[in-house]
Amino acid sequence: SQQGEEDPQALSIQEGENATMNCSYKTSINNLQWYRQNSGRGLVHLILIRSNEREKHSGRLRVTLDTSKKSSSLLITASRAADTASYFCATAGANSKLTFGKGITLSVRP
Amino acid sequence: DAGVTQSPTHLIKTRGQQVTLRCSPISGHKSVSWYQQVLGQGPQFIFQYYEKEERGRGNFPDRFSARQFPNYSSELNVNALLLGDSALYLCASRQSGSSGNTIYFGEGSWLTVV
Repeated sequence: SQQGEEDPQALSIQEGENATMNCSYKTSINNLQWYRQNSGRGLVHLILIRSNEREKHSGRLRVTLDTSKKSSSLLITASRAADTASYFCATAGANSKLTFGKGITLSVRP
Repeated sequence: DAGVTQSPTHLIKTRGQQVTLRCSPISGHKSVSWYQQVLGQGPQFIFQYYEKEERGRGNFPDRFSARQFPNYSSELNVNALLLGDSALYLCASRQSGSSGNTIYFGEGSWLTVV
């Protein structure tokens, strides 16, 4: 079963705009990780945020975590055509396995 | 440094056959996990190994098995293949068995069962 639920399922924006993707989960977590996947290739790790953290930044990425609402968001600023991909949030509990959502398809129009 | 490497990249098998997929973790990583990703879905956890011992198993039938070798590489075996086993199989590695580390994925092995 999949714990994470990403929202929206698909997002289409113009190059230069910001993209915000949301993820909700059901059980307590140790950390939450965001991944990018290009067209059926492997998963590229973007950022990890621990349960005691509220916000993290990495380049054009900003991730927030609200454990009281069991939700996280990924913001990509100044999007580029190369950001076109599927994005997944994955939660890790004490048993260390990752539980993924169904993913968000982001299309960035040049 | 090389990332997580998987082989083969693509393969086609017939129903009822057996398949072995291979994975080499990032150098220094002792934990390897396997995930199955069916088209249009997120990856599903199959197995985790740490220091050659199974540390977790997902909701998959006994046709799925895995092992980890002394050099920390791993194999995933699937017996009696079904059409529904067609998927991208992803291997992931992390430095230790704890849940606090970043998990890195390989490019995956595309399995098509016909």
